[in-house]
Amino acid sequence: AQSVTQLGSHVSVSEGALVLLRCNYSSSVPPYLFWYVQYPNQGLQLLLKYTSAATLVKGINGFEAEFKKSETSFHLTKPSAHMSDAAEYFCAVSGSGTYKYIFGTGTRLKVLA
Amino acid sequence: DTAVSQTPKYLVTQMGNDKSIKCEQNLGHDTMYWYKQDSKKFLKIMFSYNNKELIINETVPNRFSPKSPDKAHLNLHINSLELGDSAVYFCASSRQTGGVGGGELFFGEGSRLTVL
Repeated sequence: AQSVTQLGSHVSVSEGALVLLRCNYSSSVPPYLFWYVQYPNQGLQLLLKYTSAATLVKGINGFEAEFKKSETSFHLTKPSAHMSDAAEYFCAVSGSGTYKYIFGTGTRLKVLA
Repeated sequence: DTAVSQTPKYLVTQMGNDKSIKCEQNLGHDTMYWYKQDSKKFLKIMFSYNNKELIINETVPNRFSPKSPDKAHLNLHINSLELGDSAVYFCASSRQTGGVGGGELFFGEGSRLTVL
């Protein structure tokens, strides 16, 4: 079975500051991990995904995430926040051989001017 | 041109009514999903079809019935609507590249259901 925990339902950063959104996972099979972003009144779109290739994954809009098996973590970072990054962010896990994608509870990112 | 499209986008109805939401994807994917997003933004998987075969059927009331006439379409019919059914329902699709589980999900824009 898979599960995901996102620490912090709300995160506020100043424009230009580092963005760090935390995700820890649990999986009984080798995991596939994803970060999605949701803007108001829109569907989710993929930021990046880990599928057992490189542990440091680069995504769109300057985001990246690092898979750390020993810590069962897949935290999302961006060096410098932009106002347009304000959105809801979801971490998700699926497992090798499973069709089920489990989402975390989401983190709302607020960017302060 | 929209990859995953859902209709209607908004649905307001009375308790006890029956309603349907339709989803179509033009990505050639084999697997389609219904997710429910509640007012706290929590996303819960409801159903999944792979090549028209139901493969995921979570603990969802029998009032919810999915149907996949072909692998590009997935519909959701809801009978006897209740207040608690108010939510945003998202359709998604995926292609399982590199093994099952590794393909990303492509989401529609959602169908916001309000039950009065």
